[in-house]
Amino acid sequence: SQQGEEDPQALSIQEGENATMNCSYKTSINNLQWYRQNSGRGLVHLILIRSNEREKHSGRLRVTLDTSKKSSSLLITASRAADTASYFCATALNYGGATNKLIFGTGTLLAVQP
Amino acid sequence: GAGVSQSPRYKVTKRGQDVALRCDPISGHVSLYWYRQALGQGPEFLTYFNYEAQQDKSGLPNDRFSAERPEGSISTLTIQRTEQRDSAMYRCASSLAKSANSPLHFGNGTRLTVT
Repeated sequence: SQQGEEDPQALSIQEGENATMNCSYKTSINNLQWYRQNSGRGLVHLILIRSNEREKHSGRLRVTLDTSKKSSSLLITASRAADTASYFCATALNYGGATNKLIFGTGTLLAVQP
Repeated sequence: GAGVSQSPRYKVTKRGQDVALRCDPISGHVSLYWYRQALGQGPEFLTYFNYEAQQDKSGLPNDRFSAERPEGSISTLTIQRTEQRDSAMYRCASSLAKSANSPLHFGNGTRLTVT
């Protein structure tokens, strides 16, 4: 079963604009990770944020985490056509302090128009 | 270095046959995950290992599915008496740290088609 749900399901923007995707989850987590997948190919890790962190940056990516609201957002700034892909959040579930399995959400399909 | 390698890339089998899908993780990676992904969906968790120990198999759909990682390296996902509903992309990933404490590195997957 899916733990996270991404919002929106699909997003279309122009090159140069910013893209924001949101992820909500249900249970306590140890960390949250974002992955990218191009056209059904392999998944590529983008960024990992731990439950005690609130914000993290990596190049044009900014991730926030609000554990009180059980939500995260991924911001891609100055988007490029090459950013066109599906983006998934994945939550590392926390059972009594022990990190467990990594559960993926439903994904956001981002299309960046040149 | 080499990434996660899965074989075969494509497998077509007849309903009722058994199949074995292989995953060769990145050398030295502790944890290994199996996922199943339908078109347009996110990866669905099946099972994972830390070293040779299967930590969680709660995602395996039924008892026709099993997985092993006997020496803490290569893993095999076996599906017995395949059914058409088993058709999907099966993805393997490995990670340096135990459980999900570090990023997962995914292989290119095995596309299984049951006819």
